Amino acid sequence: DSGVTQTPKHLITATGQRVTLRCSPRSGDLSVYWYQQSLDQGLQFLIQYYNGEERAKGNILERFSAQQFPDLHSELNLSSLELGDSALYFCASSATTVSGNTIYFGEGSWLTVV
Amino acid sequence: QQQVKQSPQSLIVQKGGIPIINCAYENTAFDYFPWYQQFPGKGPALLIAIRPDVSEKKEGRFTISFNKSAKQFSLHIMDSQPGDSATYFCAASNTQGGSEKLVFGKGTKLTVNP
Repeated sequence: DSGVTQTPKHLITATGQRVTLRCSPRSGDLSVYWYQQSLDQGLQFLIQYYNGEERAKGNILERFSAQQFPDLHSELNLSSLELGDSALYFCASSATTVSGNTIYFGEGSWLTVV
Repeated sequence: QQQVKQSPQSLIVQKGGIPIINCAYENTAFDYFPWYQQFPGKGPALLIAIRPDVSEKKEGRFTISFNKSAKQFSLHIMDSQPGDSATYFCAASNTQGGSEKLVFGKGTKLTVNP
């Protein structure tokens, strides 16, 4: 158990709909990352928040948005969903240490768009 | 642009064999190189990591070899076991770049036959 909690574990929704994925980082971790995993693209970095502020942005579509709340949990909002958005979405958190940035992943949220 | 190239895509070895997975990177600003192990239905979990100031790091049966001049690094699994069957991802990050986000290779599916 990595200590990173994601909900829901599975989600099936229709095209055009909007969903919210939720993540609770490990206790004390200030950084939260969102990654998308698909068969053809592998693990793609979407966005990072650090202590409530956006820190880095990757291949995140304009239809997607995220935020990190004062209690450090994060939400990833996916709107106007398309079939191609079906993927496994991972949240991860980290506490930078002297030896490097150990990033811990949650078990993911499976999104199926039908 | 794929910044971290991983090979092979899949690998089958017999129990006790030494699978080797290779990665090459392009960005010379990368200074942290972890390997992650992922079992089906689970999130990636950190296995071992190395910084470019050392050429080799060993933890148990897992060894990373690092060649800074060639911009390559590899994972060796000694005395492999069926329980090592999983997908392995190499990754890289620039910890001095303001974000600790990881750039992942596309993964290697390892099967260790009994």
